[in-house]
Amino acid sequence: AQTVTQSQPEMSVQEAETVTLSCTYDTSESDYYLFWYKQPPSRQMILVIRQEAYKQQNATENRFSVNFQKAAKSFSLKISDSQLGDAAMYFCAYRTSSNTGKLIFGQGTTLQVKP
Amino acid sequence: DVKVTQSSRYLVKRTGEKVFLECVQDMDHENMFWYRQDPGLGLRLIYFSYDVKMKEKGDIPEGYSVSREKKERFSLILESASTNQTSMYLCASTWGGLEQYFGPGTRLTVT
Repeated sequence: AQTVTQSQPEMSVQEAETVTLSCTYDTSESDYYLFWYKQPPSRQMILVIRQEAYKQQNATENRFSVNFQKAAKSFSLKISDSQLGDAAMYFCAYRTSSNTGKLIFGQGTTLQVKP
Repeated sequence: DVKVTQSSRYLVKRTGEKVFLECVQDMDHENMFWYRQDPGLGLRLIYFSYDVKMKEKGDIPEGYSVSREKKERFSLILESASTNQTSMYLCASTWGGLEQYFGPGTRLTVT
């Protein structure tokens, strides 16, 4: 069975600085997807970024980028120029290539942004 | 924009009560999911449905059941609520594509 591990329960960053959130996963599949979701306090969970396993190029979305290391089964999220609105809980998630869309989530990392 | 709504943001129930949590999505999505979120455990899948009247157990289905009579609505049922079911419950939907859309969550307290 697939597992996802986020080993940093809490992280903090100074506004305008860069922070990296870690995620590792375990799978025997070769075709899958990885995601980072953001859950702001008292607000709905939203997708931040997605990575397809077959793509070697790391995904980027504005200030958000990933470092996808398939052999090491590592998928970290880098947030550049951190903003107060980035404060949230971040979840790493794994999805198989099947069309059910089932996700397996990590434990979450709470990011605090200091002004 | 996709909208996923849940019937209550906060709910307080007594042990032994039957509890219904409802989720509605407005984008004609095939697949819908119920998760529970607990500190340090992330989100764990309770049940999911890939079509009307179709359902599959997730990782932690014990003590829960679901109903999907219409495509847009997916209900989670706690047949006899217990204190260990106190949690945040999140509903999500997707069309089988790559992004799940989440509702705002229901924080359930069982006393």
